[in-house]
Amino acid sequence: NAGVTQTPKFRVLKTGQSMTLLCAQDMNHEYMYWYRQDPGMGLRLIHYSVGEGTTAKGEVPDGYNVSRLKKQNFLLGLESAAPSQTSVYFCASAGTGLADTQYFGPGTRLTVL
Amino acid sequence: GQNIDQPTEMTATEGAIVQINCTYQTSGFNGLFWYQQHAGEAPTFLSYNVLDGLEEKGRFSSFLSRSKGYSYLLLKELQMKDSASYLCAVPMDSNYQLIWGAGTKLIIKP
Repeated sequence: NAGVTQTPKFRVLKTGQSMTLLCAQDMNHEYMYWYRQDPGMGLRLIHYSVGEGTTAKGEVPDGYNVSRLKKQNFLLGLESAAPSQTSVYFCASAGTGLADTQYFGPGTRLTVL
Repeated sequence: GQNIDQPTEMTATEGAIVQINCTYQTSGFNGLFWYQQHAGEAPTFLSYNVLDGLEEKGRFSSFLSRSKGYSYLLLKELQMKDSASYLCAVPMDSNYQLIWGAGTKLIIKP
């Protein structure tokens, strides 16, 4: 049982490049989330999904897009990377909504030069 | 609005007890989570409180007072491996999101 996995673990981009971060979960969870974490700040929600085929904006969605074509996968895209997007990105999943425990992937450390 | 406050950093001695506080403001209430995050790793679930009072899980206990908008995490018999950040989070009122505190970095000294 792998839980929540993320690829890649590390990435360095140049300004203006694009990339996709992949999150996969094998717990049959309905809810999936993408966060970013910056030093001295709490986790900030980028986008989330409450089920296959659905997505919604979180607190800091600008510059990012997401897709949930399959229940087990949640993709985060950066169309034109900016240095302000240098961060650690975490994916999480939860079985149900509001009060369910979120399980996190190991994170992706992204640097944009 | 909705807000969570936690101390930024705390220091404690191995073998001692430490209490990490969290205050929150929400218009509704659907429980409070505590997560542990070691440096360079993902957050992992510690506890969830929805009713007032103290819940004990081994060396860790979590307390909630809904009327005061206050929670604390109590760590006993501190070990070096307890050095980590401790994150407090509450569900938002009307959707499926959590509001996260910035976390309390706990430093354990021998």
